[in-house]
Amino acid sequence: AQSVTQPDIHITVSEGASLELRCNYSYGATPYLFWYVQSPGQGLQLLLKYFSGDTLVQGIKGFEAEFKRSQSSFNLRKPSVHWSDAAEYFCAGGGRGSYIPTFGRGTSLIVHP
Amino acid sequence: KAGVTQTPRYLIKTRGQQVTLSCSPISGHRSVSWYQQTPGQGLQFLFEYFSETQRNKGNFPGRFSGRQFSNSRSEMNVSTLELGDSALYLCASSLEPSGGYEQYFGPGTRLTVT
Repeated sequence: AQSVTQPDIHITVSEGASLELRCNYSYGATPYLFWYVQSPGQGLQLLLKYFSGDTLVQGIKGFEAEFKRSQSSFNLRKPSVHWSDAAEYFCAGGGRGSYIPTFGRGTSLIVHP
Repeated sequence: KAGVTQTPRYLIKTRGQQVTLSCSPISGHRSVSWYQQTPGQGLQFLFEYFSETQRNKGNFPGRFSGRQFSNSRSEMNVSTLELGDSALYLCASSLEPSGGYEQYFGPGTRLTVT
């Protein structure tokens, strides 16, 4: 089945450290992919998106993600994490012609001072 | 532009009752999708409406229904509530049907069924 997988349920980093959240997809053709962030009690906010073109995508809040077809991955990165980045992160995507994106189960980011 | 708004934000209902949740999309957005979010199942797609027509439906029982009005506002209804319906219900809007178009989410309605 076509899907998006986030292998890490929780990630803990120290403030100021770099961050990489993993996302793997299983779509036959080039997928469209998103990363969202959800703060407690809030809806999801779009961080960045990939449809085609440049495989390194810049987003808001200093986040970026790289689409790697060979690894079926779309990992989210940030060079220096701030305490305010603590939240739940969701990868989502779909195959071309698929009208409904599927969401990963989410990765909870914990930031230590 | 105002974001996606959902009302009410919190709701407590009793088993067997029914509930209606409302969603107002971003101005100009014609597609509205609904999701159920629970700790156990994560984000699950309920249905999507575009131009007042349901385009896609997730794997939920018929107790879950929705509609969209001519101004793109949408409502979802859950009849004969069960304890397992307790969840955060998220509405998302997009310019066009969500395939390939980014969705913008509202803050959600927290439904508690007792």
